[in-house]
Amino acid sequence: DQQVKQNSPSLSVQEGRISILNCDYTNSMFDYFLWYKKYPAEGPTFLISISSIKDKNEDGRFTVFLNKSAKHLSLHIVPSQPGDSAVYFCAARTNFGNEKLTFGTGTRLTIIP
Amino acid sequence: NAGVMQNPRHLVRRRGQEARLRCSPMKGHSHVYWYRQLPEEGLKFMVYLQKENIIDESGMPKERFSAEFPKEGPSILRIQQVVRGDSAAYFCASSPPTGQGFGEQFFGPGTRLTVL
Repeated sequence: DQQVKQNSPSLSVQEGRISILNCDYTNSMFDYFLWYKKYPAEGPTFLISISSIKDKNEDGRFTVFLNKSAKHLSLHIVPSQPGDSAVYFCAARTNFGNEKLTFGTGTRLTIIP
Repeated sequence: NAGVMQNPRHLVRRRGQEARLRCSPMKGHSHVYWYRQLPEEGLKFMVYLQKENIIDESGMPKERFSAEFPKEGPSILRIQQVVRGDSAAYFCASSPPTGQGFGEQFFGPGTRLTVL
């Protein structure tokens, strides 16, 4: 039962353009969402998060949007840079405390110079 | 300020042997999580521990797998009598005590276990 879904296994974007990565979830108890970036042979690196009381959170080139009614979130990266090429994982949690993360299967982003 | 440390980075075992994976959380972090990533899949939660306590082991296989986080020393994920299907990347994450931060988990570099 895949509670967090990233339906695009891969995405290619021209350098300087906007990258949009999507994530859907099914568990209505999730109320905190995170995006991680992962390079090969390394651990995931935390990027940005959003709680269910917000619909947008911005940090530099990264913005996460949350649509609770649609159970959908997206990560926007603008402008995209070659160093952004990596696998991006969406993750969700059920409360503000320390709880297990449920991960999507990841989207491999390739930035084309 | 060292991050989450995991060792070894690579571990090769033959079927039937034991594998021990170690994780030292970030300084000041008291919560440790173990995740497993099979090839071409996302990370799957295995177990959540605080010092000397297992809080949630709902993702742990019922047999052969165990985890501990003693009062002193690193957290250990132990796999007995390994089988080929245990080959995966095992990631440890840590987070600060409840009430500090928003509970973001910070990951180590992982241990890549290969079972021959």
